[in-house]
Amino acid sequence: AQSVTQPDIHITVSEGASLELRCNYSYGATPYLFWYVQSPGQGLQLLLKYFSGDTLVQGIKGFEAEFKRSQSSFNLRKPSVHWSDAAEYFCAVGASANAGKSTFGDGTTLTVKP
Amino acid sequence: DTEVTQTPKHLVMGMTNKKSLKCEQHMGHRAMYWYKQKAKKPPELMFVYSYEKLSINESVPSRFSPECPNSSLLNLHLHALQPEDSALYLCASSRGEGGGNQPQHFGDGTRLSIL
Repeated sequence: AQSVTQPDIHITVSEGASLELRCNYSYGATPYLFWYVQSPGQGLQLLLKYFSGDTLVQGIKGFEAEFKRSQSSFNLRKPSVHWSDAAEYFCAVGASANAGKSTFGDGTTLTVKP
Repeated sequence: DTEVTQTPKHLVMGMTNKKSLKCEQHMGHRAMYWYKQKAKKPPELMFVYSYEKLSINESVPSRFSPECPNSSLLNLHLHALQPEDSALYLCASSRGEGGGNQPQHFGDGTRLSIL
């Protein structure tokens, strides 16, 4: 069965600083990987996805993520954080063999200091 | 603006009431999902519909009854809920048949409170 671990429950960064959110997955084959963001009172919004090919993927809002098979990781990065990036971030892994089931990590809460 | 619309945004109901949550999408997606989300937790999958047929039921209690009248609409009928059912209920849709290999588009949810 697939699983996702987000080791950091809460991260605080200063506005303008760089950001990296960690995600580790467990899956036997090539996974389908996603990062979603959830602002208070809203649903989840897809930031980016990895299916195959280039291991560095670009997403919306200036985010990028790098797939590292050797480390079973898919970390999310942003070079300069804005106050509006404060939100809950979820990493998810899916597999076509497991119809409908994207397994979500427990999430990382990002706080941005002025 | 979200492309998946959920109504109502907030719902307060007693344990003996019957109510329904509604979800609509016009992206041509043939897979639709219901999730339950507690505060500070990830979404928990409840049901998946693929081409208007129920394909996954994650052992959800029968007091939750899903319905997919057509490819654009998804309902969740609620009856005799318990206080622990208070949560944010999220609807999502995706391309394909509902496989985990597709990104999902989420609505903003219905905040449900059971008195």
